[in-house]
Amino acid sequence: SYELTQPPSVSVSPGQTASITCSGDKLGDKYACWYQQKSGQSPVLVIYQDNKRPSGIPERFSGSNSGNTATLTISGTQAMDEADYYCQAWDSSIVVFGGGTKLTVL
Amino acid sequence: EVQLLESGGGLVQPGGSLRLSCAASGFTFSSHAMSWVRQAPGKGLEWVSFIWTSVGSTNYAESVRGRFTISRDNSKNTLYLQMNSLRAEDTAVYYCAKDVGSSGYLNWGQGTLVTVSS
Repeated sequence: SYELTQPPSVSVSPGQTASITCSGDKLGDKYACWYQQKSGQSPVLVIYQDNKRPSGIPERFSGSNSGNTATLTISGTQAMDEADYYCQAWDSSIVVFGGGTKLTVL
Repeated sequence: EVQLLESGGGLVQPGGSLRLSCAASGFTFSSHAMSWVRQAPGKGLEWVSFIWTSVGSTNYAESVRGRFTISRDNSKNTLYLQMNSLRAEDTAVYYCAKDVGSSGYLNWGQGTLVTVSS
C-alpha cells in the first residue's frame, strides 16, 4: 500500500520560513494536498493540486511537489500558524494521508 | 454555504454496530462524491471510505473493508456509514467530507465521536 512520510515535528521562529516535507514513492507523479488542523477543530485545506491555494488561505502558504517529495512552505510564519499539518495524495482510487507534522512557532 | 453535519456517534461495545449520518446542504449533493475520514484520539487522519455520485461505486480502506458500508440517499441529501463488528481501534472522531480526488477535501463536517469500549 502507498505511504506518505512526514517529520513528526518542525519548529520555527515567528517571521521565519517553515518547511514541512512529505515523502512518498514517485509522489511528484501525483497531486499533493495539505491540511492544517488546530486543536479540537476540523482540518482545513490550505494547498491542493501541489501548489494551489483555496479562497481565503493567506499567500504565505505555498506548496511544491517533485520527485519523491512534496513540500509545504509557510513564509513569515505567525503564531496563529501553530497547528498540525497533514499531506494527502490520491493513488489508484485510494486516499492516503501522511502521519502529520506538529508545527511549533517558538 | 456548504454545511456538513454528522450525527450518530456514541458508545458501543466491541462487536456492536452503529450507523453514522451526514446531512449536507448548500450544494447539489447528488453531483458530488462524498467521503468519510476518521481520527483516533491523539492520532492522525485516516481515510475510511468514499462513494461516487452513482450508488454502488465505492471504495474502502483495508482496515474497514468488509465491516463498514458507505451509502447515500440523494433524495435526502444524506451520507451514511454503517459500521459493523466494531473494534476498539475503530474509536475515533468520524468526519464526512465533500468530494474526493486530486483537489482534496475543501469541506469537512465537525465530526462525530465513536467510542468502542466495554
